[in-house]
Amino acid sequence: EDKVVQSPLSLVVHEGDTVTLNCSYEVTNFRSLLWYKQEKKAPTFLFMLTSSGIEKKSGRLSSILDKKELFSILNITATQTGDSAIYLCATPRGNMLTFGGGTRLMVKP
Amino acid sequence: DGGITQSPKYLFRKEGQNVTLSCEQNLNHDAMYWYRQDPGQGLRLIYYSQIVNDFQKGDIAEGYSVSREKKESFPLTVTSAQKNPTAFYLCASSNSRTGLEAFFGQGTRLTVV
Repeated sequence: EDKVVQSPLSLVVHEGDTVTLNCSYEVTNFRSLLWYKQEKKAPTFLFMLTSSGIEKKSGRLSSILDKKELFSILNITATQTGDSAIYLCATPRGNMLTFGGGTRLMVKP
Repeated sequence: DGGITQSPKYLFRKEGQNVTLSCEQNLNHDAMYWYRQDPGQGLRLIYYSQIVNDFQKGDIAEGYSVSREKKESFPLTVTSAQKNPTAFYLCASSNSRTGLEAFFGQGTRLTVV
């Protein structure tokens, strides 16, 4: 059965810390892996990864995919309180998006 | 502005009642989706539709129904058969059948009282 697993479930850090969020997957016919940030209500799209070893970067956020080991990581450097959110990873399964359980990140001042 | 609109934001329902959640998009997307999110958890797919007048069950369709009479609209009905309806419901749409880069509405929080 296809599945997406995220770790840790939750994380509390202080401003300025660097965090790494993990997403492992087991899907047939893998096409891509997506990361979303959910602050209060609507998840917003961060990255889509399709190729191994190619880092995608947006400001202090970066992500990379390892298709051999079947996982992706999302790094956030110099965290800010505005980074507090649930981070979700997802992968297409057939014509649907399958989401992991999310990592709840809290950044304290 | 283009986007997805869900209404209402908050909804209270008595046990045994059906309730319909609205989702409208003006992004001209073919595909639309309904997800359920329980506290501290990820998103689980209820139903999805790739084209007007067609929809498919997701992973947790029992107790729910949908319709897709117009491209822009994909309402979700939570029926009395749904045993644990209290949750946060998110609607999404995408311009590809694979669901990549789905755009989400602001959600509806349903509470059964």
